[in-house]
Amino acid sequence: LAKTTQPISMDSYEGQEVNITCSHNNIATNDYITWYQQFPSQGPRFIIQGYKTKVTNEVASLFIPADRKSSTLSLPRVSLSDTAVYYCLVGGRSNDYKLSFGAGTTVTVRA
Amino acid sequence: DTEVTQTPKHLVMGMTNKKSLKCEQHMGHRAMYWYKQKAKKPPELMFVYSYEKLSINESVPSRFSPECPNSSLLNLHLHALQPEDSALYLCASKPGLASSTDTQYFGPGTRLTVL
Repeated sequence: LAKTTQPISMDSYEGQEVNITCSHNNIATNDYITWYQQFPSQGPRFIIQGYKTKVTNEVASLFIPADRKSSTLSLPRVSLSDTAVYYCLVGGRSNDYKLSFGAGTTVTVRA
Repeated sequence: DTEVTQTPKHLVMGMTNKKSLKCEQHMGHRAMYWYKQKAKKPPELMFVYSYEKLSINESVPSRFSPECPNSSLLNLHLHALQPEDSALYLCASKPGLASSTDTQYFGPGTRLTVL
């Protein structure tokens, strides 16, 4: 089971770019990397998913190096409403397609 | 409609009570999940249903009893709970179980307090 390690917390200011790096040294060949966002007392919400290289959608980018042992979630120009916990998850056939949440990174955006 | 609904939003129960949590989705998803989340901790998987059959039980105590009466509905029956079972209970669904790329959609959760 691929374990993930990410910073416990990060602080930022409105308008800045926030980059959260997640380590997953024992990622399996068929595993995908998925990021979720969670606000207090709400369910997690899917942000982005990738397998390798770079993926971009309307809210974030995901950078995955060739060895796939880490990944970086990039949130461009954050606002106060981006204050949340961000979870990096790795999984697929290797763990019966289960979502195994790590500790997550609490991102606090200040004005 | 990409919504998973959960009722009730809040529930307070005594240790001798029997109660049920309900989860519903109308996205045609065939995999449904129950998670438990304690304060300031990540969600922990409890049960997984695939095509209305229990697929995974993460060694959950028998005082939690899941039920999937049809493809849209998932229940969690609670009996003889302990105060340490107080938590946010999250339901989720996704199109199919055996897919790495399907997105899992979460409901807003039921905040359970056991007195």
